[in-house]
Amino acid sequence: KNEVEQSPQNLTAQEGEFITINCSYSVGISALHWLQQHPGGGIVSLFMLSSGKKKHGRLIATINIQEKHSSLHITASHPRDSAVYICALRFGGTSYGKLTFGQGTILTVHP
Amino acid sequence: NAGVTQTPKFQVLKTGQSMTLQCAQDMNHNSMYWYRQDPGMGLRLIYYSASEGTTDKGEVPNGYNVSRLNKREFSLRLESAAPSQTSVYFCASSETTNRDYEQYFGPGTRLTVT
Repeated sequence: KNEVEQSPQNLTAQEGEFITINCSYSVGISALHWLQQHPGGGIVSLFMLSSGKKKHGRLIATINIQEKHSSLHITASHPRDSAVYICALRFGGTSYGKLTFGQGTILTVHP
Repeated sequence: NAGVTQTPKFQVLKTGQSMTLQCAQDMNHNSMYWYRQDPGMGLRLIYYSASEGTTDKGEVPNGYNVSRLNKREFSLRLESAAPSQTSVYFCASSETTNRDYEQYFGPGTRLTVT
């Protein structure tokens, strides 16, 4: 069963382009996380949100609870943004902080 | 602060060998997690520890055991390694499991079982 669907799976962009990565899910959640995995393998948490919108630098994350959909936007993309972007969900209740992860979106930004 | 550290970074085992992956965090977090990451699949939870002294199975616990040695350390043991356990293993920690806190990840251990 795929509780988390990310799209696209692969994304190639030119430096400066506006990037959108999508995450859809099928059941109610308590929070959604966006993570970045660097080419070297390290994983960093970018955002955690349960409603609305958050912004950090050139990154913007939005979530629509009714539509069960979240987007991660990167403005003025740069080659250093090349990474795998992962959406993860916490389903709440007795899930005790456990996250369910999407397969990730591989982003490559060319200079 | 080092955050979450893992040892070793790389390991090659023969089928049937055992080993322990070590994880430590210096953020005074209550909760710790072990994940595995395989090509084409998302991260999957192996075991977690909501607080010192407790451990629980995650999505893929078979073939693994864990020990929450103290608040800082959470180890993952493979008693008899199998090729299907070839993967990248990540340890993570968070303040607690009872609310929504971000998780902090270690650098990963790349394990190959031949």
